[in-house]
Amino acid sequence: AQKVTQAQTEISVVEKEDVTLDCVYETRDTTYYLFWYKQPPSGELVFLIRRNSFDEQNEISGRYSWNFQKSTSSFNFTITASQVVDSAVYFCALSEEFSGGYNKLIFGAGTRLAVHP
Amino acid sequence: SAVISQKPSRDICQRGTSLTIQCQVDSQVTMMFWYRQQPGQSLTLIATANQGSEATYESGFVIDKFPISRPNLTFSTLTVSNMSPEDSSIYLCSVEDLRTRDPQETQYFGPGTRLLVL
Repeated sequence: AQKVTQAQTEISVVEKEDVTLDCVYETRDTTYYLFWYKQPPSGELVFLIRRNSFDEQNEISGRYSWNFQKSTSSFNFTITASQVVDSAVYFCALSEEFSGGYNKLIFGAGTRLAVHP
Repeated sequence: SAVISQKPSRDICQRGTSLTIQCQVDSQVTMMFWYRQQPGQSLTLIATANQGSEATYESGFVIDKFPISRPNLTFSTLTVSNMSPEDSSIYLCSVEDLRTRDPQETQYFGPGTRLLVL
């Protein structure tokens, strides 16, 4: 069965520290997609990144970077020089394709990040 | 990406009553999804709504409790029926546009509806 594990329940850092959020997944599919979403206190879910299983290149977007390693089934997310506005719950998700052609997202439990001034 | 709105943004309801949540998208989309997020928990898929057909429900969710309508390609409603305090959650809709012919299209989420049942 498909599964996403985010072992870190809560992380607390001081502003400007770097922080890495871990994500480990399980799947028997050879083709799959991984996602990261951010949920600030307001509650909406904000899409951050999608990575397909054939692309193991690391990606950087400003202060955000993602490390995808198929060998360890991990898709970790690093925030460099964290800011108070980064405080949120971050969800890692794995897609599972249904016969209808759409994907069902399997979410991890989420990691609550608190960045203090 | 599509712009998604939900109504109401939040509500406080009495047990035994029903609430209908609306999800409106600014463009036509094929698939719409409804999720529940209980307090402090992750997201759980309730059902998938394809225009013109009945919704497909996940294990543990039934149509009598969570009836869904999908009258057109830009709109869907989720009703939470005969509510109890255990239904207190954030309810989110999301969309995926298969017209791009990419079955792994990203799901974009609405702002959510915060429901408290007393």
